[in-house]
Amino acid sequence: AQTVTQSQPEMSVQEAETVTLSCTYDTSESDYYLFWYKQPPSRQMILVIRQEAYKQQNATENRFSVNFQKAAKSFSLKISDSQLGDAAMYFCAYRSPLPDNYGQNFVFGPGTRLSVLP
Amino acid sequence: DTEVTQTPKHLVMGMTNKKSLKCEQHMGHRAMYWYKQKAKKPPELMFVYSYEKLSINESVPSRFSPECPNSSLLNLHLHALQPEDSALYLCASSQGVRGGYGYTFGSGTRLTVV
Repeated sequence: AQTVTQSQPEMSVQEAETVTLSCTYDTSESDYYLFWYKQPPSRQMILVIRQEAYKQQNATENRFSVNFQKAAKSFSLKISDSQLGDAAMYFCAYRSPLPDNYGQNFVFGPGTRLSVLP
Repeated sequence: DTEVTQTPKHLVMGMTNKKSLKCEQHMGHRAMYWYKQKAKKPPELMFVYSYEKLSINESVPSRFSPECPNSSLLNLHLHALQPEDSALYLCASSQGVRGGYGYTFGSGTRLTVV
């Protein structure tokens, strides 16, 4: 079974600065997908960025970018020019291309709570 | 429409009550999910409904009962809940259970069992 680890339960960053959130995962699959989701206090989980394992190029979405190291099974999220609205819980997630017997193919990490200081 | 709509947003119920949570999407997604989330924890999968088939996490107690009236709606019926069932209940949808699609989540129902 796949596992996702986020070693930083909490982090803080000064407004306008850059912060990197860590994520590592364990899998024996060669084809999979990785995601970062953001959950602000409003509760809704919002997709931040998606990476396909077969693509070597790191995904970017505006101020958000990832450092995907497939051999090291690492998938960190970099937030540039941090804004107050970036304060949230961030979940790293792994998705297998095929579900298990229970229809499950999404594994979430434990989350990192990011605070943005003015 | 690119949203998953959940109602109600908040619910307080007694342990003898029967209530239902509603989830709706009009994106043509073929898979819908119910998750339970405790504070400061990741979501935990409860049910998956895809291609007219329901999959159940065996650890979910029978006091939770999903219902899928059509491909756009996924309800969660609640009966005889316990205080430990108080949590945020999230609904999500995906284009399919196969492939690399992400989930679109609703804003959740905050459930308190008293």
